[in-house]
Formats: sequence, structure tokens, C-alpha cells
Amino acid sequence: GQNIDQPTEMTATEGAIVQINCTYQTSGFNGLFWYQQHAGEAPTFLSYNVLDGLEEKGRFSSFLSRSKGYSYLLLKELQMKDSASYLCAVTDSNYQLIWGAGTKLIIKP
Amino acid sequence: IAGITQAPTSQILAAGRRMTLRCTQDMRHNAMYWYRQDLGLGLRLIHYSNTAGTTGKGEVPDGYSVSRANTDDFPLTLASAVPSQTSVYFCASSVSPGQGAWEQFFGPGTRLTVL
Repeated sequence: GQNIDQPTEMTATEGAIVQINCTYQTSGFNGLFWYQQHAGEAPTFLSYNVLDGLEEKGRFSSFLSRSKGYSYLLLKELQMKDSASYLCAVTDSNYQLIWGAGTKLIIKP
Repeated sequence: IAGITQAPTSQILAAGRRMTLRCTQDMRHNAMYWYRQDLGLGLRLIHYSNTAGTTGKGEVPDGYSVSRANTDDFPLTLASAVPSQTSVYFCASSVSPGQGAWEQFFGPGTRLTVL
């Protein structure tokens, strides 16, 4: 079966760094996405990884290891507005997105 | 408009009633999708369309139907609503499925309650 695992909830302090992990088992792999979703809003695109390694985009970075079926999203210099859910999604061999349940990130002052 | 719109924003519906959720995009994207999002379960694909005139079933298609008469519109119909269909429904679109993975753009969602 296809499965994506992420922690349900994480708490971090404003100004700190947090790493959100995602592990996956899917039938085929054509890339991994991270989306951000604020409460009551739609998901919005953060990053896409298809090759192993780190992709950096400002305060956010995303890492992929295809051999380990593992990715993480790294958020630096946390701000209160980063409080949101972070969704990991993998594109399978049929190019359909398989979604994780999301990680709710709570930022404390 | 720019992006994806959905209507209605929210709806309370009696069980057994028929309901159509509307979705329109103006980005000329080929692919469109309908998801439902329930607490603790993440996004689940209901139906999708890779191009106008074609549709396919996702992970949870039972009780739902779709049509894709043109590029812009992708309505989702609940023929006879049941309480288990209470959820938040998101419509999304992408440039194209296949031949690489494409970012999906989401509409604002429809919050549906079936009593």
C-alpha cells in the first residue's frame, strides 16, 4: 500500500529552527511536494524535490533522500505567521499526488 | 478573476438532497482535481480530470460524480447526500498531469455539512 507519515503536531519557539520530517512508501516516485495550510484556508505550494539533496528557498529548505524514502522541511527564524499545517505529498508512478495527514506547527513567543 | 474559485463557500444540506459544488479556473490548466479534507486524514482525491472531456476516479469516488465539459469548469455532484460526506471540499488544478510533476493550485474550499 501507499503510505506517508508525518508527525501530527510540533511546537517551536519564535526565532528558532524546526525540522518537520516525512517518510513515504509509494508505488513509484516522481517527486515530493511540501505545502503550507493555514487554518481555514487552502494549501499553498512551498517546495518540490525530485532529486536527492537540499533545496533552499529563503527561510525554508527541503531535503530529499529517495533511497531512504525520507524528506524534511526546515524552517529557520520562525515567525508567528509560520503557525500552520505543513503537508507532505508524493507523486506516484501514475503522477497522482499521495498526501500525508499534515503536521500542525504551533509557534510560541 | 485569477486562479480558482469555488461556490458555495459553505452549505448545510439535508441528507438525501442533491448538491453540486462548483469550481472554475482561469489559468487554462489541463488537469483538475476534487479533494475532501477531514481532520486527521489529510487530503483524499475524489475525482480528477486530466483534460477536458475526460474524468477519472480517485481514492474515494463513491457517492460523487463529476463532469468536464470545458477546460475551465469542473463541478462535483453529490447525488444523494449522506452525513459521512460532511467535509471540506477543495478543487485544484495543475498545468498538466504526467510528464513530470506539477504544482497544484487550490481553490478556497467549500465547507459542507450534511445533517
